[in-house]
Amino acid sequence: EVQLEESGGGLIQPGGSLRLSCTASGFTFSSFAMSWVRQAPGKGLEWVSSIGYGVGSTYYADSVKGRFTISRDNPKNTLYLQMNSLRAEDTALYFCAQTIATGAWYFASWGQGAQVTVSS
Amino acid sequence: ENVLTQSPGTLSLSPGERASLSCRASQSVSSTYLAWYQQKPGQAPRLLIYGASNRATGIPDRFSGSGSGTDFTLTVSRLEPEDFAFYYCQQYGSAPLTFGGGTKVEI
Repeated sequence: EVQLEESGGGLIQPGGSLRLSCTASGFTFSSFAMSWVRQAPGKGLEWVSSIGYGVGSTYYADSVKGRFTISRDNPKNTLYLQMNSLRAEDTALYFCAQTIATGAWYFASWGQGAQVTVSS
Repeated sequence: ENVLTQSPGTLSLSPGERASLSCRASQSVSSTYLAWYQQKPGQAPRLLIYGASNRATGIPDRFSGSGSGTDFTLTVSRLEPEDFAFYYCQQYGSAPLTFGGGTKVEI
């Protein structure tokens, strides 16, 4: 059974930094692309970033490009999202997702999410 | 950016009824790279349909997807109590990946 567990969320002041982690189990982590998707309170889903399965081509939404960095540690089965220069509009529940990348990308399994709140 | 518009915003139905949810794209979705997800309050989304019409593993056959180009539909043939939730479409045919705004199916 695929399991994804996010951690590292919390309350942070505007302009601050936070790093999210996602620990994976139940599948061969190194063989799958991975992604972060977020959901602001009471809102819909927004794709944030994806990384390929190997050395890892990376992709970002325009809203986070230049501020967020996605990375992975395959031996540790862990996905990361380094978030810098945080803004109030980054407040959301951040999900990590096992990603099927067969020409394009969709999200096969999801974690329960990590809450990030940006507020002074 | 390929904008996805879902309608209706809210669908009020009873158990046993048929639900039809629409997802319209601003640009053609290549190769039917369209997925549907279900999300219940306080839970993570769950993949229902990929490739416009392929059910994900473990999804009951009362869920079906159809459509191509710019118009897609998710149908639930007979609503069960556990099907009352939010539903989102997502296109993955062109960057950036985008989601629709969602449809709430309520009793």
